[in-house]
Amino acid sequence: GAGVSQSPSNKVTEKGKDVELRCDPISGHTALYWYRQSLGQGLEFLIYFQGNSAPDKSGLPSDRFSAERTGGSVSTLTIQRTQQEDSAVYLCASSLSTSGGTDTQYFGPGTRLTVL
Amino acid sequence: TQLLEQSPQFLSIQEGENLTVYCNSSSVFSSLQWYRQEPGEGPVLLVTVVTGGEVKKLKRLTFQFGDARKDSSLHITAAQPGDTGLYLCAGEYGNKLVFGAGTILRVKS
Repeated sequence: GAGVSQSPSNKVTEKGKDVELRCDPISGHTALYWYRQSLGQGLEFLIYFQGNSAPDKSGLPSDRFSAERTGGSVSTLTIQRTQQEDSAVYLCASSLSTSGGTDTQYFGPGTRLTVL
Repeated sequence: TQLLEQSPQFLSIQEGENLTVYCNSSSVFSSLQWYRQEPGEGPVLLVTVVTGGEVKKLKRLTFQFGDARKDSSLHITAAQPGDTGLYLCAGEYGNKLVFGAGTILRVKS
């Protein structure tokens, strides 16, 4: 497809388990972002990848969170030892170039994570 | 503490009414964006404002960026049920976007 895709669309897990969330950005987009959105809230920045540069991990809430971007395309967000407060919608976005916020970010539909 | 404060948090109005949503900050942003998000979907960009004092119109939507580039407003004229959704403002801060908490708009027919 032409847009950003994310999988799974929904994930229910038990507290303490690890989860992996996947993002397929728009082809050719060099920048990729992960955000977290709690119920009825705005988006909280998690991590930003730009080309081959070291990612900006300044938004990751704890060392249980990590992300990779392989081959400059697909990205995986991993949450280890999930906690109930990790329950949220995790959104991925991609954009064309290096100028960060002024470039249009195209968002995927998100993965709704529920930790029981 | 939110870097960007949006108000109101929730707005329920009748079809045909006008409304304004505000986005305020004590910080200066190099640009500010407005998004609309529907349930189960990601946010979709509506507009980017860059210059202090800038006004942009998109059909019935009017966006304004404050002169000091610290605040913005979104005005909708003659709201329609299709305008229902979560409206988010986001400011460019370094190489990242900082989002407000959003305004949930419900337009009743």
